[in-house]
Amino acid sequence: DTAVSQTPKYLVTQMGNDKSIKCEQNLGHDTMYWYKQDSKKFLKIMFSYNNKELIINETVPNRFSPKSPDKAHLNLHINSLELGDSAVYFCASSQQGQNNQPQHFGDGTRLSIL
Amino acid sequence: GQQLNQSPQSMFIQEGEDVSMNCTSSSIFNTWLWYKQDPGEGPVLLIALYKAGELTSNGRLTAQFGITRKDSFLNISASIPSDVGIYFCAGFTGTASKLTFGTGTRLQVTL
Repeated sequence: DTAVSQTPKYLVTQMGNDKSIKCEQNLGHDTMYWYKQDSKKFLKIMFSYNNKELIINETVPNRFSPKSPDKAHLNLHINSLELGDSAVYFCASSQQGQNNQPQHFGDGTRLSIL
Repeated sequence: GQQLNQSPQSMFIQEGEDVSMNCTSSSIFNTWLWYKQDPGEGPVLLIALYKAGELTSNGRLTAQFGITRKDSFLNISASIPSDVGIYFCAGFTGTASKLTFGTGTRLQVTL
């Protein structure tokens, strides 16, 4: 009955590799997000999709490419991984509407670059 | 961009004590949210505030939307060991805008 689920939970890989993280939500929300949490626990938005359309794209290197095959899924593909990409990546979802609706988060993917 | 500063950065308290933390910004926000993050998990929503002056409770937690719309406060009464974690404020400056997170307050509770 998990609301926002991400896979994998842990990802350890070498510099230069390409990897993907998957996210799915069963809340019926129409907006999904990717956040990056650094070692100091600071949470920063990377991307946001509403009904499969990109609506927020922060200044993220173009090695990061999100893909939303449908409104319940938002995947993140990362090319040519670098040491600085090590972080925890969180997927979130919310229902867009007139009022700003709270976002619901997954449990994160811990990415470690060797 | 907007920054949300939380204080204190961390606090060590004894079980049973009350806790207060706050979140301030130089910009006006129209929605404030408070989240808690346990180790190895994602942030979980505690309280949402939508109007200036609003005071909302969730069990032992009470949060307030500051009158100036530039700050918010969270109080925890009679703390227990499971209150340990990182508390984040977050806010929206407009509709359909980005959610900005605060710097977090790390709470430790001793028996």
